Amino acid sequence: NAGVTQTPKFQVLKTGQSMTLQCAQDMNHEYMSWYRQDPGMGLRLIHYSVGAGITDQGEVPNGYNVSRSTTEDFPLRLLSAAPSQTSVYFCASSSPFSGETQYFGPGTRLTVT
Amino acid sequence: DAKTTQPNSMESNEEEPVHLPCNHSTISGTDYIHWYRQLPSQGPEYVIHGLTSNVNNRMASLAIAEDRKSSTLILHRATLRDAAVYYCILRDGYSGGGADGLTFGKGTHLIIQP
Repeated sequence: NAGVTQTPKFQVLKTGQSMTLQCAQDMNHEYMSWYRQDPGMGLRLIHYSVGAGITDQGEVPNGYNVSRSTTEDFPLRLLSAAPSQTSVYFCASSSPFSGETQYFGPGTRLTVT
Repeated sequence: DAKTTQPNSMESNEEEPVHLPCNHSTISGTDYIHWYRQLPSQGPEYVIHGLTSNVNNRMASLAIAEDRKSSTLILHRATLRDAAVYYCILRDGYSGGGADGLTFGKGTHLIIQP
């Protein structure tokens, strides 16, 4: 099992550009979520999904879109990047049968100039 | 999710036990206590969780106070690899398998001296 994978590892964008952060899991988990982590801070929830076709907003959803067409993939889209979105982004997955344990990916470090 | 309070940082020596405290005075009866840690430049990883009784696994032990208003994560013999930020998180047991994510505070930065 690869677990939770994220691409790219690093990305630099200019203000106003758009991009998609990719997240995939091979554990057949129903639940997936996206977090951002700013320097010296804990993680904050952006969006989450309880299954294919179902998504919902977390604590800091503005500026981000998500969709979930398959169980395995949960991409995060930045429509018009802003410097305030400079952060490290983590994807996670879990299942009712994993004892609520969340499995995190290695992260994507995004810089918006 | 109820709030937790942890020290900003702690320091310990290699091969000694480490006790990481967490206060959660407003915990409800259905809240589980979860611990995650985040090694430098990595995503968080699950350490342990419990409800009322003390819990042990291969990574650590979790000691929960009788009134459940505090808990302690115990690393029995710290190594340099245990240097990380440790997060204490409460999750409602009826929240549906973690579907709506975890609420992270700033955690405790554990420094291990060789």
